[in-house]
Amino acid sequence: KQEVTQIPAALSVPEGENLVLNCSFTDSAIYNLQWFRQDPGKGLTSLLLIQSSQREQTSGRLNASLDKSSGRSTLYIAASQPGDSATYLCAVASSGGYQKVTFGTGTKLQVIP
Amino acid sequence: NAGVMQNPRHLVRRRGQEARLRCSPMKGHSHVYWYRQLPEEGLKFMVYLQKENIIDESGMPKERFSAEFPKEGPSILRIQQVVRGDSAAYFCATYGTVNTEAFFGQGTRLTVV
Repeated sequence: KQEVTQIPAALSVPEGENLVLNCSFTDSAIYNLQWFRQDPGKGLTSLLLIQSSQREQTSGRLNASLDKSSGRSTLYIAASQPGDSATYLCAVASSGGYQKVTFGTGTKLQVIP
Repeated sequence: NAGVMQNPRHLVRRRGQEARLRCSPMKGHSHVYWYRQLPEEGLKFMVYLQKENIIDESGMPKERFSAEFPKEGPSILRIQQVVRGDSAAYFCATYGTVNTEAFFGQGTRLTVV
C-alpha cells in the first residue's frame, strides 16, 4: 500500500525566500507524481506533473524533481511571493491499468510580505 | 480545472437526510474518480467509475455510500442517512488521455448539521 508523506506540515517564510517542499513515498513503482496547490475552501490546481521516466519538471518559478529509487520528490519555489501562500499537495499515481492516486497531507505555506 | 464540473459547491444536510453530489467530467472523458477530504486530512480515494461500471470502490465506506455513472448525465455520489462525520469536501477528477495529468473539480463541501 502506497503511503505519501510531506514535510514540513507547515512553513512560514518571508517574501523573496527560496524554499523547498518535500514529499516521500514508500512504493517506488509509480506511474507519475503530481504537485497541486489548494487554496482555502477551493479545489486543486495542478502545478507540475512528473512522469516516472522523468527526473524533473519546471514551470516559471517552480521546479519539481523526482528520485524514484529513494522515494522522494521536492518542489522548489524560487523568490516566494505572498500569492504563493496555499497548501501544496503531492500526489502519487501507482502503476497499473488505471490510476489510483495517493495524496500526501500537504504542506501549508505562508509567505509573509 | 473548469472542465470538471461539480455541483452543488456547498451542501448542508441535517443528520439522517440524503446527500447527492454530482460530477460531470471533461468533455470526451468517460471516467471519474471520487475523493474525500476530511478536515485537516489528506484526500482519500473513494471510487473509480467508468460509464455504467464501477471499476474500483475499495475506498468507499461499506454502508450508506454509493456511486453511479449512468450512460447519460453526471456521476452521482450518494450518501444516505448522513452523519456529522460525513462533513467533508468531496472532489471528483478525471485524467488526461495524453499525459495522464489529473484534473479536479472545485469540490462539493458537505456540512451535516
